[in-house]
Amino acid sequence: GQQVMQIPQYQHVQEGEDFTTYCNSSTTLSNIQWYKQRPGGHPVFLIQLVKSGEVKKQKRLTFQFGEAKKNSSLHITATQTTDVGTYFCAGVNTNAGKSTFGDGTTLTVKP
Amino acid sequence: GAVVSQHPSRVICKSGTSVKIECRSLDFQATTMFWYRQFPKQSLMLMATSNEGSKATYEQGVEKDKFLINHASLTLSTLTVTSAHPEDSSFYICSARDPRTAWAPLHFGNGTRLTVT
Repeated sequence: GQQVMQIPQYQHVQEGEDFTTYCNSSTTLSNIQWYKQRPGGHPVFLIQLVKSGEVKKQKRLTFQFGEAKKNSSLHITATQTTDVGTYFCAGVNTNAGKSTFGDGTTLTVKP
Repeated sequence: GAVVSQHPSRVICKSGTSVKIECRSLDFQATTMFWYRQFPKQSLMLMATSNEGSKATYEQGVEKDKFLINHASLTLSTLTVTSAHPEDSSFYICSARDPRTAWAPLHFGNGTRLTVT
C-alpha cells in the first residue's frame, strides 16, 4: 500500500532559525496536504498542493510539491514560539479518498 | 468554514465496558467520514472509513467487532469501542471532507481521549 515517509521526526531550533520538514511518498500523489497539530490539539489544515512543482507561501511558511508529485517540503523562515507543534503531510491519491499521513515532524522552538 | 464536532472530548471507563464516540459534520453532509487513532507522539493511523448507509471499510489489523462504526445519517458517524481494555487507551479523531469542494482537505474533530482503567 501507499507509504508516506516524513523526516526528521523531531527538530529543535532556536527562535529565529529556519526549519524544514520533508515528505516522501512511495507512489505518485494526486495532491498533498499539510496539517499542524498543536500539543493536546487536533490536526488543522494548512495548505494543499496539487500541481507538479507547485510552490505556495503563507507568510513565513513555504510549501513545495515535487515535479514527480512524490515528495513535498515545508519550510518555515525565522521560527517563532508560536510555530511549535507537529507538522504532518498527508498524501492523497484519489479524489475524496483517504489520506495517508506521514509520521510527522515535531518542532520545538527555544526562545 | 466546514466544521466537524466530536464528542466526548475525554472519557474514562472501566475495563470491559463499551464507549461510544460521536462525530458530526455541522455545516455539510458527509457521505464518508474517517476514524483515526493516535498514540502519544505518533502519527494518525487510519482505522476505518465510515460510509453513510453501508458498512464501514476497516484498515488491515483493525478488528471490526471491536470497533463498531455506524454512519446512520449524512451528518453523524459513531465509533463504539466494545469491551474496552487498557491497551485501547488512545486519542481517537474523526475527520470528514466537504463534498462540495473538489480535493477538499480533511476537517478534524477535536478528538476523544480515551482512558481505560
